[in-house]
Amino acid sequence: EAGVVQSPRYKIIEKKQPVAFWCNPISGHNTLYWYLQNLGQGPELLIRYENEEAVDDSQLPKDRFSAERLKGVDSTLKIQPAELGDSAVYLCASSLAGGEGNEQFFGPGTRLTVL
Amino acid sequence: AQKITQTQPGMFVQEKEAVTLDCTYDTSDPSYGLFWYKQPSSGEMIFLIYQGSYDQQNATEGRYSLNFQKARKSANLVISASQLGDSAMYFCAMRGSGYSTLTFGKGTMLLVSP
Repeated sequence: EAGVVQSPRYKIIEKKQPVAFWCNPISGHNTLYWYLQNLGQGPELLIRYENEEAVDDSQLPKDRFSAERLKGVDSTLKIQPAELGDSAVYLCASSLAGGEGNEQFFGPGTRLTVL
Repeated sequence: AQKITQTQPGMFVQEKEAVTLDCTYDTSDPSYGLFWYKQPSSGEMIFLIYQGSYDQQNATEGRYSLNFQKARKSANLVISASQLGDSAMYFCAMRGSGYSTLTFGKGTMLLVSP
């Protein structure tokens, strides 16, 4: 069974440019997460989807970040415009819905460098 | 609010030896889950082991075991018979009752030497 797929794996852009990341979760997983991982830190949640509904986006900087999960499967995370401080790894994860014991499966991440 | 603390920035161990990675947590939730993930240089987070707060027994998965001490709010990961491939970042994480979001610690870098 295929794992969580993310693309691109690496992205280098200049500040003020837009950028988008794509995630395809594991088939059948209703819950999808986007995490931000800064260098030397653990991942921090940006947004969580239950099917196509964003149920927790409290940590998403909405002035420049947006996300969508049309049809409750694939998801796209966008930054517009990017800033130098956005350089980080963006991780996508998915899990079966609910439950404190449900394991989250992570994708390989997209490493963003903003110049 | 939930908090995970990993006080060891880095750990060194020789191949075939056992190593303990520390994790303490803080939460007001009566029910919660504790996780350990491994992140090699490739970047992917790999699930290792899970412990539920009401589980009576410490979780074990192959060479990984979780030393869960609820009263001390600690959930240390024990890796037995270390292998060179165990060199990676290790993250402790927790999820409270009713939530799906994981709260991660800052991680511990483990280096296994021959």
